Amino acid sequence: GAVVSQHPSRVICKSGTSVKIECRSLDFQATTMFWYRQFPKQSLMLMATSNEGSKATYEQGVEKDKFLINHASLTLSTLTVTSAHPEDSSFYICSARDREGATNEKLFFGSGTQLSVL
Amino acid sequence: AQKVTQAQTEISVVEKEDVTLDCVYETRDTTYYLFWYKQPPSGELVFLIRRNSFDEQNEISGRYSWNFQKSTSSFNFTITASQVVDSAVYFCALTPNTGNQFYFGTGTSLTVIP
Repeated sequence: GAVVSQHPSRVICKSGTSVKIECRSLDFQATTMFWYRQFPKQSLMLMATSNEGSKATYEQGVEKDKFLINHASLTLSTLTVTSAHPEDSSFYICSARDREGATNEKLFFGSGTQLSVL
Repeated sequence: AQKVTQAQTEISVVEKEDVTLDCVYETRDTTYYLFWYKQPPSGELVFLIRRNSFDEQNEISGRYSWNFQKSTSSFNFTITASQVVDSAVYFCALTPNTGNQFYFGTGTSLTVIP
C-alpha cells in the first residue's frame, strides 16, 4: 500500500524557536496534503489543506503566520511551527491524497509528530 | 452536515472477550467512504478498513469484523477474542467522495486487561 512518511516523529524545542515537520508521499504523487492536530485524548482536527504549487487553505481559527505550510512538490509538504510556545505542544499528523485517486478513497496518513515545546 | 459519533469514550474488557465499538455517522452525500483507524500509544494512525457507501457487505478480517448498516447510518467494529495488543484508541471517520474534509469521531479508547 501507499506510504506517507512523516519526519521527525518526535521533537522537543525551546520556546521561541521554529520547528519544521515534513510529510512525504513515498510511492505516489500527492497534489493535496492535509495537516491535522491532535490534543491528548482528543480527536484529530484539520488545520489546513496543502495544495501543490499554491497557497494552503487554513481552517477557521488556525493562524496562518504561526503554522506555515509549503507544498513545493508533488511528494513533499512541510509544516513549520514558527516561534513555538508551550501551547503549541501537540501531536501533528499529515495525510496525502493519491493524485491518481481524485476521490478520498485513496487517502493515506503519516505516522505523526509529537511536538513538545519547553 | 457531516458528523461521526463514537458514543463510547472508554471501554475496558478482559482478554479473550469480544468487544464492539460503535460508530454512527451523518451525511447528505450519496457517495462517501467510512474508515476505521487504530491509534496505539505510539501515536501513528493505523488503517484498518475502508468501506464505500455502495458496499454494505459485512467484512471479516481475522479477529476483526465490521457491520455496515446504511439504514441506521452505523459502521460498527467488533474485535473477537480480544488481546492486550488491541489496546488503543480507535477512530471511525467519514469522508465524502470529493472535497477535503475528513471527519473523525472522537475516538474510543479500548483497554484489554490481561
